[in-house]
Amino acid sequence: AQSVTQLDSQVPVFEEAPVELRCNYSSSVSVYLFWYVQYPNQGLQLLLKYLSGSTLVKGINGFEAEFNKSQTSFHLRKPSVHISDTAEYFCAVSSTGGGNKLTFGTGTQLKVEL
Amino acid sequence: DAGITQSPRHKVTETGTPVTLRCHQTENHRYMYWYRQDPGHGLRLIHYSYGVKDTDKGEVSDGYSVSRSKTEDFLLTLESATSSQTSVYFCAISLGLAASHTDTQYFGPGTRLTVL
Repeated sequence: AQSVTQLDSQVPVFEEAPVELRCNYSSSVSVYLFWYVQYPNQGLQLLLKYLSGSTLVKGINGFEAEFNKSQTSFHLRKPSVHISDTAEYFCAVSSTGGGNKLTFGTGTQLKVEL
Repeated sequence: DAGITQSPRHKVTETGTPVTLRCHQTENHRYMYWYRQDPGHGLRLIHYSYGVKDTDKGEVSDGYSVSRSKTEDFLLTLESATSSQTSVYFCAISLGLAASHTDTQYFGPGTRLTVL
């Protein structure tokens, strides 16, 4: 069975500073990894996903993530954050069974301050 | 937004009462999912459906049942609500016909349920 760990429940950062949100996964087979963002009182929307190929994945709103198989990590980064990036971020892995079931991490609340 | 709506958006109910949440999609996608979101747990899969009358259990299915009599509607029922089922419930769809691991899931706006 797969699992996802997001060690940081909250990450405060000043506007225009860089940020990294950490995600580690466990899986014994090929993995497909996703980052979703949830703005206050909204549903989740996809930021980016890693399927195969290049380990550096670029997503929407200037975010990118790097897949590192040896460290079983898929950390999310942005070089310069904006107030509007304040949201909760979820890392997820797609299960190996049928049905494209997602296993989510517990989420990281990014709070961007002036 | 993949044409997903959820109703009601907010509901307060009492312990022991039945509750049904509805997820509606407009684009006839085959795969639909119900998740619950709780602080410290992220999102956890309750049930999913892979077609009309075809459903399967997820990670936290105890106390929940689902039905899908039409492609566009996926209903989640709490037969006898308990306080532990207070949560935010999200419906999602997978766009691919076969729900490949590479498919993106699209989420509805959520239903906030409070069980007193």
